[in-house]
Amino acid sequence: GNSVTQMEGPVTLSEEAFLTINCTYTATGYPSLFWYVQYPGEGLQLLLKATKADDKGSNKGFEATYRKETTSFHLEKGSVQVSDSAVYFCALSGVNTGNQFYFGTGTSLTVIP
Amino acid sequence: NAGVTQTPKFRVLKTGQSMTLLCAQDMNHEYMYWYRQDPGMGLRLIHYSVGEGTTAKGEVPDGYNVSRLKKQNFLLGLESAAPSQTSVYFCASSYSWLASAETQYFGPGTRLLVL
Repeated sequence: GNSVTQMEGPVTLSEEAFLTINCTYTATGYPSLFWYVQYPGEGLQLLLKATKADDKGSNKGFEATYRKETTSFHLEKGSVQVSDSAVYFCALSGVNTGNQFYFGTGTSLTVIP
Repeated sequence: NAGVTQTPKFRVLKTGQSMTLLCAQDMNHEYMYWYRQDPGMGLRLIHYSVGEGTTAKGEVPDGYNVSRLKKQNFLLGLESAAPSQTSVYFCASSYSWLASAETQYFGPGTRLLVL
């Protein structure tokens, strides 16, 4: 079946620290992979995506590389800011999922000044 | 361009009461979805629609019904609310069935408390 596993939080970092949030997946075929971000009191917003192996998605200083050999899509940022405090969701979707998205459980990030 | 909107933002129900959550999108998207978000469980798909007049079950459909009478609207109904349905409900939409490259756009959520 299809599933996404994220590292459990919460994660607390100081401003300008390096961030990694791990995400691994199980899927049939070759899904697209996504990172969504949910700021407090808001809905989810797309942060970045990658549609095939070795693609790198990037946005707002965040990056994630689609690794087919390790079935991973880890989220990284070199220097986090207080405004990055949010919940981050890894997700997959593809033709073999019937257009359904499968989300991880989310990782809460708090950045302190 | 409002994107995806949800009504109401917050509601308290008593066990056994019914209610309807409304989702509207102005992006002419074909696909619409209802999710529930519970602590430690991420988002789970309740029902979805691939076009006007169609609906399909997702991962956790029991206790819910949906209708898509107009392309821009997707309604989620609870006929007899239960405390287990206390959750945050998100509506989303996407343009096409080409899920391999598609992005879902989310509404701000409806927080439902069933006592």
